[in-house]
Amino acid sequence: GAGVSQTPSNKVTEKGKYVELRCDPISGHTALYWYRQSLGQGPEFLIYFQGTGAADDSGLPNDRFFAVRPEGSVSTLKIQRTERGDSAVYLCASSLQRGGGETQYFGPGTRLLVL
Amino acid sequence: AQSVTQLGSHVSVSEGALVLLRCNYSSSVPPYLFWYVQYPNQGLQLLLKYTTGATLVKGINGFEAEFKKSETSFHLTKPSAHMSDAAEYFCAVNGGSQGNLIFGKGTKLSVKP
Repeated sequence: GAGVSQTPSNKVTEKGKYVELRCDPISGHTALYWYRQSLGQGPEFLIYFQGTGAADDSGLPNDRFFAVRPEGSVSTLKIQRTERGDSAVYLCASSLQRGGGETQYFGPGTRLLVL
Repeated sequence: AQSVTQLGSHVSVSEGALVLLRCNYSSSVPPYLFWYVQYPNQGLQLLLKYTTGATLVKGINGFEAEFKKSETSFHLTKPSAHMSDAAEYFCAVNGGSQGNLIFGKGTKLSVKP
């Protein structure tokens, strides 16, 4: 079946602009995660959804970052007033259900560049 | 709190040689441990994971890892490297019920002909 997809694959924007990044999880997966990967670093957790609700948003760096998953499937990560430091690859992952041992399946990522 | 340390940001081996990528973890609860591989411009792909049971875990592409609780380690090995193994490898731990992964900084593996 289809894996996790993310759009766009690349996004270039100017400092101060608003961006939206989309994630389509594997069908039937109830858990969805967003991570951010900066150059030379491992992915860092941003936010986790179980169904429609954000179960844990402790990784969001500040209030410019927000994510939604209104119907329990597709999720959108929204970044307001972008800054150059937001440049990174944003990864989305989904798993069948929550739980520590569940395998997370990752999308190819959206590479965000803020000029 | 959980954390992961990967020793060596860059490892280079010759084709056919043993691959050993080191990972040490810290966890206040029994850990679930993962190895992911990332090829250039691609997402992360699961190589193997340890949840419970047998401490020697076999994964895809001939890789395996052994969970050693006493050493808080989960090193990744492969007996004979192939050129196609050149990629970046990430070790991750998950100690909470929520399920988010905590990754190490990654080890880039180069394979020389």
